[in-house]
Amino acid sequence: GAVVSQHPSWVICKSGTSVKIECRSLDFQATTMFWYRQFPKQSLMLMATSNEGSKATYEQGVEKDKFLINHASLTLSTLTVTSAHPEDSSFYICSATDPLYNEQFFGPGTRLTVL
Amino acid sequence: KNQVEQSPQSLIILEGKNCTLQCNYTVSPFSNLRWYKQDTGRGPVSLTIMTFSENTKSNGRYTATLDADTKQSSLHITASQLSDSASYICVVRNAGNNRKLIWGLGTSLAVNP
Repeated sequence: GAVVSQHPSWVICKSGTSVKIECRSLDFQATTMFWYRQFPKQSLMLMATSNEGSKATYEQGVEKDKFLINHASLTLSTLTVTSAHPEDSSFYICSATDPLYNEQFFGPGTRLTVL
Repeated sequence: KNQVEQSPQSLIILEGKNCTLQCNYTVSPFSNLRWYKQDTGRGPVSLTIMTFSENTKSNGRYTATLDADTKQSSLHITASQLSDSASYICVVRNAGNNRKLIWGLGTSLAVNP
């Protein structure tokens, strides 16, 4: 199957700083990528859908100015958590759709801890 | 309301034993149902994807069933291994305009030696 990577795998930052998370499709071109957030013992929650070359579509309740998404190429999408606060601490997972399989493949996730 | 419910919430079994996880859904219109395995601190990995017309699908020691009439699915794990310890998540795709994935909360499986 297709491979999706994320970087970094974990990050610790101070409250008020911004953090950028990268999501890459390694062996396929993904026109659509998705960003999820997962809190402990809860399921994945879709934050936004990112389409290459256009603005991301955010789910209800997700602040677009706080969670900046850029999908500048067919293999890279970035999520920037701006002015992070402790309540933003979570597990962030991206996924990308491989058009060959018409299926989503998930990255390994990024653990964000805001102190 | 589109929902996916899984049972049990958690399960502990001994290595080598079989187990069955349940998933009930109310998602409509239905597109497909997936089972994912998520190891702690990792992203989900797809085990099976089933469409409306499929009743059973296997992937190694994993066998998924789907009853579209009763809107129920199960995931059977045969001859469990320690590496099967993970969260197993049932996800249903809505065939409506938004084609969203509706996620269950998962069953946490622990396989003990």
